[in-house]
Amino acid sequence: DVKVTQSSRYLVKRTGEKVFLECVQDMDHENMFWYRQDPGLGLRLIYFSYDVKMKEKGDIPEGYSVSREKKERFSLILESASTNQTSMYLCASSIDRNNQPQHFGDGTRLSIL
Amino acid sequence: AQRVTQPEKLLSVFKGAPVELKCNYSYSGSPELFWYVQYSRQRLQLLLRHISRESIKGFTADLNKGETSFHLKKPFAQEEDSAMYYCALDSGNTGKLIFGQGTTLQVKP
Repeated sequence: DVKVTQSSRYLVKRTGEKVFLECVQDMDHENMFWYRQDPGLGLRLIYFSYDVKMKEKGDIPEGYSVSREKKERFSLILESASTNQTSMYLCASSIDRNNQPQHFGDGTRLSIL
Repeated sequence: AQRVTQPEKLLSVFKGAPVELKCNYSYSGSPELFWYVQYSRQRLQLLLRHISRESIKGFTADLNKGETSFHLKKPFAQEEDSAMYYCALDSGNTGKLIFGQGTTLQVKP
């Protein structure tokens, strides 16, 4: 069974801090994704990666960056956290680009004070 | 533009009643569509995908290209079906999914 692990379930940070959210998958998946989940807005794609050291912008990349130094790990970085980045963040992975389902982590509920 | 629309934020039914969660999509090519479900305090997980044409937990979904819809149906709702349901579109073999806004299904006893 695919395991996607997000390092924190809950995180509280202050405005202006640099925040790191970590995600690890154990199935050698090529693709990894970061979403934020907000009520009434569904899931919105922030960034994704098709391979190591590759990254592509999703629909709402502003204020975020990512890092994929190893195939199994995909990090989301909030360069200078702001209160409007308070949200649930979901990481996902999939085998490849060929219409494969995505497997999700438990999510990190991030609060920016 | 590629888009997925779930018109209902909340759908409330009684146990044993039929359920239909609506999903409409906008995409000119051949879409690949999924339904995902998130039960309370659990991770988002795949419920079903249209190419597999299978029934999962009694749910089915049929792709209607003429109406650009992929509605999720179950003939008799159970209380354990209460959850958030998301419809998603994978367009053009990109691996990216476009999600709808989600529908909360509430099954009352």
